[in-house]
Amino acid sequence: QVQLQESGPGLVKPSQTLSLTCTVSGGSISSGDYYWSWIRQPPGKGLEWIGYIYYSGSTYYNPSLKSRVTISVDTSKNQFSLKLSSVTAADTAVYYCARGAYYCGGDCSTVFDYWGQGTLVTVSS
Amino acid sequence: SYVLTQPPSVSVAPGQTARITCGGNNIGSKSVHWYQQKPGQAPVLVVYDDSDRPSGIPERFSGSNSGNTATLTISRVEAGDEADYYCQVWDSSSDHHVVFGGGTKLTVL
Repeated sequence: QVQLQESGPGLVKPSQTLSLTCTVSGGSISSGDYYWSWIRQPPGKGLEWIGYIYYSGSTYYNPSLKSRVTISVDTSKNQFSLKLSSVTAADTAVYYCARGAYYCGGDCSTVFDYWGQGTLVTVSS
Repeated sequence: SYVLTQPPSVSVAPGQTARITCGGNNIGSKSVHWYQQKPGQAPVLVVYDDSDRPSGIPERFSGSNSGNTATLTISRVEAGDEADYYCQVWDSSSDHHVVFGGGTKLTVL
């Protein structure tokens, strides 16, 4: 059973960089057609895809956040990480890491089959 | 960018059938996935690839997708089905981007 666990500071000051790590257990981050993903949810609002990374290092980001986001992977630790720079109060959210399973049937798609429990990050001075 | 539109809320009595829609331009040509999220919990995948169910998800959850609308159908609704539901697609036309709908709050009366 694959498990994901987010870790990192719960409070970040405005203009600073938010940094989170997701540790994957129960499976190798280097195996299979998976995109290791970050998704966030502001309080009382919906889900927003931030971006994801393939184990090889290829990254894909939400255009609305692309200029501020970096996702990286450390296969030796079975972890992947998120950095979001120049944060404001609008970046306050629960941040989830998730496994995106990529497949092609009649159409290609990515579906998020395993999620971490989420971690609340508050941006405030 | 691709947009998915969901009704903010749907209400249904226990034992009845709930239908939650997800609208998008020619969404019938895409694979649609549905997630259930209860308060304080991470989302859980309940339907993938329009109409398939992951193991452990009751048969009461089903999905369909045609034209400009995908639908999640929950039969014989139970109190425990009360949650937020999100649809999601992968927009292959825009460099691997993922899109979520705005979410629908299902209330069991």
